[in-house]
Amino acid sequence: DGGITQSPKYLFRKEGQNVTLSCEQNLNHDAMYWYRQDPGQGLRLIYYSQIVNDFQKGDIAEGYSVSREKKESFPLTVTSAQKNPTAFYLCASSYGGGADPYEQYFGPGTRLTVT
Amino acid sequence: DAKTTQPTSMDCAEGRAANLPCNHSTISGNEYVYWYRQIHSQGPQYIIHGLKNNETNEMASLIITEDRKSSTLILPHATLRDTAVYYCIVISGNKLVFGAGTILRVKS
Repeated sequence: DGGITQSPKYLFRKEGQNVTLSCEQNLNHDAMYWYRQDPGQGLRLIYYSQIVNDFQKGDIAEGYSVSREKKESFPLTVTSAQKNPTAFYLCASSYGGGADPYEQYFGPGTRLTVT
Repeated sequence: DAKTTQPTSMDCAEGRAANLPCNHSTISGNEYVYWYRQIHSQGPQYIIHGLKNNETNEMASLIITEDRKSSTLILPHATLRDTAVYYCIVISGNKLVFGAGTILRVKS
């Protein structure tokens, strides 16, 4: 089955540690996205990538980093510089080129808790 | 950039139609309306989108008023599994902007 995989579902880290969240898709989508969701709120865009080896900052990129070395993978690193890292992180993908970039497919999310 | 306004929450009886309203009075002529939903602790799911004509797919129908200042998402026969937060989105700055959405509770 095609889809987006995020692992792990729950992640716990100590303050001051960097942590990398995994996102893999087998939908053959060109574009991939990372969002953050805080309790009771909507999603906010962290980073996005429209093609391999290229990515752009979203609205809240500070304290995060990404890479896009393969079409299928778009890992997100939450660095120690992120002041409030505890949140629900969601990865999404969409067709590239002239296709609708706003019809996005989301993964199941990773809930990160930093103490 | 258009903003959307949705009720905070709504209840619907199982088997009945769920009608979720959205106001987007400042929408521009070429801006589409998108609907997503998010079941608790899961990733959002795309439902439908439209510009000016009514749209229907296997999940829902989207009714957009003639002046395009509001729209209604219709789930024709709501089930308990349709309980979720429903987001009405008008594309802003070339990206999806998720507001707080409407919590739809389907009750038996």
